[in-house]
Amino acid sequence: QKEVEQDPGPLSVPEGAIVSLNCTYSNSAFQYFMWYRQYSRKGPELLMYTYSSGNKEDGRFTAQVDKSSKYISLFIRDSQPSDSATYLCAIFSSGSARQLTFGSGTQLTVLP
Amino acid sequence: DSGVTQTPKHLITATGQRVTLRCSPRSGDLSVYWYQQSLDQGLQFLIQYYNGEERAKGNILERFSAQQFPDLHSELNLSSLELGDSALYFCASSEPKGGARTEAFFGQGTRLTVV
Repeated sequence: QKEVEQDPGPLSVPEGAIVSLNCTYSNSAFQYFMWYRQYSRKGPELLMYTYSSGNKEDGRFTAQVDKSSKYISLFIRDSQPSDSATYLCAIFSSGSARQLTFGSGTQLTVLP
Repeated sequence: DSGVTQTPKHLITATGQRVTLRCSPRSGDLSVYWYQQSLDQGLQFLIQYYNGEERAKGNILERFSAQQFPDLHSELNLSSLELGDSALYFCASSEPKGGARTEAFFGQGTRLTVV
């Protein structure tokens, strides 16, 4: 079992839809949670960073963390064609092996 | 601009050759990660350095090696190159000295083509 599992997609939605992207993880030492967006053949860019359970909002993006279920989500409201990209969750372990682990990414297409 | 600089941006070389990819992390970041991304594939973790020491190793081939220098820049050396090594290679940095933040910032990558 991978330490971080992410729905691979691809996911295709109409413009204006609410998008839900999800990851699960298995290591309780994971403490810091991130979402990245990667446009084709570009470097991933950080979208959201959080370290606590609950919701964190930034514009049209909301990151949700449920540590009890080891489940993280990214919601995109009013999705736009420019949101079409691959979204990767990433989790940092603060245990003895301080390491950043990425999900495999979900490819999202928002249709105009 | 993430603050992470990778050079060169593009590299074309022949099979059997050796190349060196360079990464300058964000100012003050102690940790450097290297990733390989083949066409339409996810990020494959290769290796991580922290303040000059290897911290974690992923699916890195024996033909590949890396190091982090005292000024914290890192180099990834790829030798005996094969066609299958053609990919985007990303560097990311994180963990600023004296800071608690752990998010990683990525460079724009080096596109390696082996012909």
